[in-house]
Amino acid sequence: SQQGEEDPQALSIQEGENATMNCSYKTSINNLQWYRQNSGRGLVHLILIRSNEREKHSGRLRVTLDTSKKSSSLLITASRAADTASYFCATDPGGFKTIFGAGTRLFVKA
Amino acid sequence: GAVVSQHPSWVICKSGTSVKIECRSLDFQATTMFWYRQFPKQSLMLMATSNEGSKATYEQGVEKDKFLINHASLTLSTLTVTSAHPEDSSFYICSARDIHSTNEKLFFGSGTQLSVL
Repeated sequence: SQQGEEDPQALSIQEGENATMNCSYKTSINNLQWYRQNSGRGLVHLILIRSNEREKHSGRLRVTLDTSKKSSSLLITASRAADTASYFCATDPGGFKTIFGAGTRLFVKA
Repeated sequence: GAVVSQHPSWVICKSGTSVKIECRSLDFQATTMFWYRQFPKQSLMLMATSNEGSKATYEQGVEKDKFLINHASLTLSTLTVTSAHPEDSSFYICSARDIHSTNEKLFFGSGTQLSVL
């Protein structure tokens, strides 16, 4: 079953703009991760934030986590055309599983 | 970084035939691998958790006799779609964790696009 819901489902922006994607989940978690998927390919891990963390940065990525609201956001700053992809949040609710959200399809126009 | 090799990348088969998909961890050991199914423009749906040396754990609604999983070594898991039908056409992706790493992140294969005619 799906754990996370993401919004927006699709996002189209100009190169250089920031892109923000949100993820909500239902159960308590140990950590939350964000992955990227280029069309027809496997997923690539971007960043992991633990349940006791509130914010994390990695290059142009900034992730926040609000466990009281069961939500997370992924911000990509100064977007590039190469950032065009689908982005998924994934949660570890325990039991060694990783459950993926519905995903946001990001299109960055050059 | 850790590499997971999945093949074939795509396969076209006739209805009623069986298709085997392999997932290998190339430079790390994985006691557990995961098999996902993805429909176009949708998310990944966990099908089963493959455990080395024991039976796979299937998610609710996934037919274990339809999707046979074998995890005979620490670096190889296979998914066999038996008696495939057009409704089995989908993108199948495997993933694995490094048992020697404390990092919980998953490493993914590049996926297999299955088309059943």
